[in-house]
Amino acid sequence: EIVLTQSPGTLSLSPGEGATLSCRASQRVSSSYLAWYQQKPGQAPRLLISGASSRATGIPDRFSGSGSGTDFTLTISSLEPEDSAVYYCQQYGSSQVTFGPGTKVDIK
Amino acid sequence: QVQLQESGPGLVKPSETLSLTCAVSGFFISSGYYWGWIRQFPGKGLEWIGSIYHTGSTSYNPSLKSRVTISEDTSKNQFSVKLSSVTAADTAVYYCARVARVPGGSEYFQHWGQGTLVTVSS
Repeated sequence: EIVLTQSPGTLSLSPGEGATLSCRASQRVSSSYLAWYQQKPGQAPRLLISGASSRATGIPDRFSGSGSGTDFTLTISSLEPEDSAVYYCQQYGSSQVTFGPGTKVDIK
Repeated sequence: QVQLQESGPGLVKPSETLSLTCAVSGFFISSGYYWGWIRQFPGKGLEWIGSIYHTGSTSYNPSLKSRVTISEDTSKNQFSVKLSSVTAADTAVYYCARVARVPGGSEYFQHWGQGTLVTVSS
């Protein structure tokens, strides 16, 4: 099973600032099969990124993903108040899907 | 726009079977895609349960495989999950989702239902 670690645990930033979220895998994620999700309180997760860098339909271009192998990054270029949420990464390069523990982004 | 809605008992007794259904609108499940279940524990961790293709082919999390069954009813455009011999550790919010599978890998989750809380308690 591939274990995903996310850092930092919590990020507290002001509107307009940039955010960099990290997802590290215990083994290489084949074909960069990594997704990112956003979850707001009381809501289901929402797909942001698949294939490490492809934005899902309707996702603003301030969200971008990058990385390969074992190290992946979600970047939010200029934070909006509505970006306050928990962000999860998920790998699907192996037969068993696994999720990271999440990074909470607080907007001051 | 595809929409998914979970339904089922919110309280299940230990050792009994948890049963949930996901009603799909805006897309016929018989038309394609995989359809899956994910759960989120009270501490917020997410766990993949499994998925089903419209042909009936299934894929399960190995850690749950002995207790879980996912089935579909294309006439009602819905799919279901059953988890047997539940304990308090199965208390979670259960989500259904439309799944995208990839060659040489497994799956990610494109569209999610709103989720339903299931508590296991006597």
